[in-house]
Amino acid sequence: AQKVTQAQTEISVVEKEDVTLDCVYETRDTTYYLFWYKQPPSGELVFLIRRNSFDEQNEISGRYSWNFQKSTSSFNFTITASQVVDSAVYFCALSEAGYGGATNKLIFGTGTLLAVQP
Amino acid sequence: ETGVTQTPRHLVMGMTNKKSLKCEQHLGHNAMYWYKQSAKKPLELMFVYSLEERVENNSVPSRFSPECPNSSHLFLHLHTLQPEDSALYLCASSQGEGQRNEKLFFGSGTQLSVL
Repeated sequence: AQKVTQAQTEISVVEKEDVTLDCVYETRDTTYYLFWYKQPPSGELVFLIRRNSFDEQNEISGRYSWNFQKSTSSFNFTITASQVVDSAVYFCALSEAGYGGATNKLIFGTGTLLAVQP
Repeated sequence: ETGVTQTPRHLVMGMTNKKSLKCEQHLGHNAMYWYKQSAKKPLELMFVYSLEERVENNSVPSRFSPECPNSSHLFLHLHTLQPEDSALYLCASSQGEGQRNEKLFFGSGTQLSVL
């Protein structure tokens, strides 16, 4: 069965520190997609990144970077030089790729609450 | 104007009440979703609509009744709820027809309290 584990429930850092949010997933499929979403205090989840299971290249977007390692079934997220505006709950999610018409059924982790102190 | 709008933002209801949650997306998307977010639990998918047709009902109790009159609007009708149904209800949309690689655009949610 699919499962996403975010073992870190809460993380507190001081502004400008680097922080890594861990995500470990389980799936039997060889084709799947991984996502990260950010949920600020306003409530709406905001899409950050999507990776497919065949693309193991790490990605960097500004202060954000993602490390995808199939060998350890992990898709970790690092924020460099954290800022107060990064304070939010971050969710990792897994979606298996079905055939045409297969419904989107994202499996979310329980989220990591990141608090960045000034 | 945000892409996905949910009303009301907060709702308090008794167990015998009937209420409805509304979601509207302004993105021209074809698929819409209802998720339930309870404290300390992962987001749970409730329903998926693709091109106004329900394509997924994730074993949700019948006291939750979805309605999708067109591709821009999604409702969740509530009746005889239980206190454990108290949660944040999130609506989302995606551009395609609900394929598994689509990214979702979420509303801010309705915080529901059942007394």
